[in-house]
Amino acid sequence: GQQLNQSPQSMFIQEGEDVSMNCTSSSIFNTWLWYKQDPGEGPVLLIALYKAGELTSNGRLTAQFGITRKDSFLNISASIPSDVGIYFCAGHTGNQFYFGTGTSLTVIP
Amino acid sequence: SAVISQKPSRDICQRGTSLTIQCQVDSQVTMMFWYRQQPGQSLTLIATANQGSEATYESGFVIDKFPISRPNLTFSTLTVSNMSPEDSSIYLCSVARQGKETQYFGPGTRLLVL
Repeated sequence: GQQLNQSPQSMFIQEGEDVSMNCTSSSIFNTWLWYKQDPGEGPVLLIALYKAGELTSNGRLTAQFGITRKDSFLNISASIPSDVGIYFCAGHTGNQFYFGTGTSLTVIP
Repeated sequence: SAVISQKPSRDICQRGTSLTIQCQVDSQVTMMFWYRQQPGQSLTLIATANQGSEATYESGFVIDKFPISRPNLTFSTLTVSNMSPEDSSIYLCSVARQGKETQYFGPGTRLLVL
């Protein structure tokens, strides 16, 4: 099935830095979701976005549903070591969910 | 949200055998899905588990290899049949409720086939 283009593929940052990652698609989505997956665990939902232009925060995380409905970004402010993991975006349209390729985040203390 | 459990959490199996993975949700859900995630990769949808009818399989996945049951709105099983080392992967159950296009994942089952 369709996969979303997620970038960057990996990031190595210093603790305390801000992080930004994004997801783009050639198709329009009705919902954008952002997940974090820790090693050996299932993906955990971080933020769900349901309307174009919507900007939603969850603690140090902020995500936006692009106005064109074809993209979304996730920002993490003041990163900490436990932010390490793989971040996936997902889009929903019709009855289908499509997943990004993932962004691997490493935080250096 | 939903609380999802999977059994077993991990297993090591011999080539040619079969393993059945269980997924239990703490509340009734409309949709249940089964995914496979190979090391370092994204999620690949195997099938949608339909309550009371045959599962809907994605391209590249067939019922003989991955039979699925969904006897009610809170439970589903996925069987990996006649396993080979290529089936070594993480298998994830997920759920979604109609009207809220949000998907929640179980903790996964780590399968190693020798």
